[in-house]
Order: sequence, then C-alpha cells, then structure tokens
Amino acid sequence: KNQVEQSPQSLIILEGKNCTLQCNYTVSPFSNLRWYKQDTGRGPVSLTIMTFSENTKSNGRYTATLDADTKQSSLHITASQLSDSASYICVVSATSGTYKYIFGTGTRLKVLA
Amino acid sequence: DAMVIQNPRYQVTQFGKPVTLSCSQTLNHNVMYWYQQKSSQAPKLLFHYYDKDFNNEADTPDNFQSRRPNTSFCFLDIRSPGLGDAAMYLCATSRGAFQAGQEEQFFGPGTRLTVL
Repeated sequence: KNQVEQSPQSLIILEGKNCTLQCNYTVSPFSNLRWYKQDTGRGPVSLTIMTFSENTKSNGRYTATLDADTKQSSLHITASQLSDSASYICVVSATSGTYKYIFGTGTRLKVLA
Repeated sequence: DAMVIQNPRYQVTQFGKPVTLSCSQTLNHNVMYWYQQKSSQAPKLLFHYYDKDFNNEADTPDNFQSRRPNTSFCFLDIRSPGLGDAAMYLCATSRGAFQAGQEEQFFGPGTRLTVL
C-alpha cells in the first residue's frame, strides 16, 4: 500500500534554531517528492520538488534531501523564524499514470520567540 | 497575479442544506482537483478533472458532486451536508501537460465549511 509517514507529528523550537523534519514513504514506483508549507487556514504552498535522481534541493533557508534507496526524505530549516510556524507536508507521487498524490499527515512546527 | 481562488473562504450551512463551493483559476491549467482536509489530517482527494474528463475517487461519498463548466471554474456541491462533512476544502490545479503525477499542484487558500 502506498503510504507517506512523517515525523515528528509536532515540534516546538526557539527562533533562530535549526530543525529537521522527516518523511518516509512506501510509494512505488516512485516519481517525485514534494515538500509543502501550509499556514493555518491556508492552502499548501510548494517549497521543493525532487525527482529520483536528485539528492538535495534548497529554497532559501529550506533544504530538502532525498534518499531513494531507503525511501526517506528530510526537510531542514535553518535559522528558524516566527513565520516558519506552519504545517509541513510531504507529498509523493507515483508513475502510475493517475493524478494521484500521496500526502503525509504533516509535521506541525511552532517557532517561539 | 495568476492564482487559484476559492470562494467563500468560510461557509456555514445547516445540517442537510445543500451548499456549493467554488474555485477559479487564472493559470489555464488542464487539471483541477478537490480535496477534503480535516483537522490534523492529510488532504483527501475527492475528485479531479482533466479538462472536462471527470474522475471520481472510489471512496468519495455520493453526497459530493462536482461541476466544471469551463477551464477556469470548478464547483463542489454537497447535496446534504452532515456533521462529518465539516472540513477544509482545498482546490488545486496542475498543468496537465506531462505524465500524470509528475506535475506540481497549485493550491487555493481553501474554504472552511462548518455544518450546524
């Protein structure tokens, strides 16, 4: 069964600190993996997209890594800011020919001043 | 700015009273999706359109219907909302130019539905 699991479920850090969020997936055959940021009460916004051949991709203070062998991805946030408080969702899509994206349940990050 | 727009942002309806949520896009994308997202859960795909081709998920309740009168607009109709239908409803689009599943989805801000 295609699944995406994220950890931790929630995380609280102090402003300025770094953090790493994890995503493990069992989606097959794998096409690509996306990280989205979802602010409370808003729709998800894409942060990074990675295909099978990409190991790392950065978007400002956000750096995503992908290990296609172990089917794991991480999102590293550097020098966190209050505005980073949001849910971070890992989404994996398969090359199955359908418009189906497998969503993780997200990690809820809270950055405190 | 090109975007995905959802109206209204907040909708309150009574148990059993039909409600329609709307989504419009200025991206000229071929594919439009409707997702239901309950608190602290992942978005759940209800249906998607590739152009006018409607695709219903197997576990989407019959209570949910959708219409896409043209490329820009897509509607979600809930015929008889129950308390369990209270959720955030997200509309998304993708270009539809590449193989399915390989494209980025662009999400609207969502409509939060409350059922009294």
